Amino acid sequence: GENVEQHPSTLSVQEGDSAVIKCTYSDSASNYFPWYKQELGKGPQLIIDIRSNVGEKKDQRIAVTLNKTAKHFSLHITETQPEDSAVYFCAASRGYGGSQGNLIFGKGTKLSVKP
Amino acid sequence: EAGVAQSPRYKIIEKRQSVAFWCNPISGHATLYWYQQILGQGPKLLIQFQNNGVVDDSQLPKDRFSAERLKGVDSTLKIQPAKLEDSAVYLCASSLGSREGRTSSYNEQFFGPGTRLTVL
Repeated sequence: GENVEQHPSTLSVQEGDSAVIKCTYSDSASNYFPWYKQELGKGPQLIIDIRSNVGEKKDQRIAVTLNKTAKHFSLHITETQPEDSAVYFCAASRGYGGSQGNLIFGKGTKLSVKP
Repeated sequence: EAGVAQSPRYKIIEKRQSVAFWCNPISGHATLYWYQQILGQGPKLLIQFQNNGVVDDSQLPKDRFSAERLKGVDSTLKIQPAKLEDSAVYLCASSLGSREGRTSSYNEQFFGPGTRLTVL
């Protein structure tokens, strides 16, 4: 089955710096890659996603890149702010429809943004 | 719009006891998911419902875990008897549906705050 590896497990940056989190996946049939942000005591919240027919997607300070050949995808946060501090999870799935849409999550990255 | 509701938020039990968690999805969401999130790990899917039918329960330890969604709305997840390794946060999520060709917003999963279970 699918396996998603996520690195680093912890990341500390200064406010205003950029942060990059990387994930690799094993199932070449995976075609949907969302990123979730989880704050303490809350459930994960979708922040951005990308499908395999796109190489890059951007939403304000957040961007995701996908390399299908290498089977890895990355989250980029620019101009980090203290409120970006949280645990970030990447996930992969084969797409939608029944169990094909089931998400396999990475182990998470704890991002700390120091003022 | 109200989010996914879960209760209780916290539960402490002793091993071999039983426990039940409740989830109320976002109104109109046909698909409901239960995840187990062990400390320091990502969520792992336990079971997926489409309306009141089970789509995928391959990761559910059926000897001790059960779940139901009788009327296609609320859902309960039960553990009987609990083991020490069941200590985790149990997350419920819902989406409008889960269908190929639909927009991301149709399939986007919205998570509840979770129930933190401690088994002593």
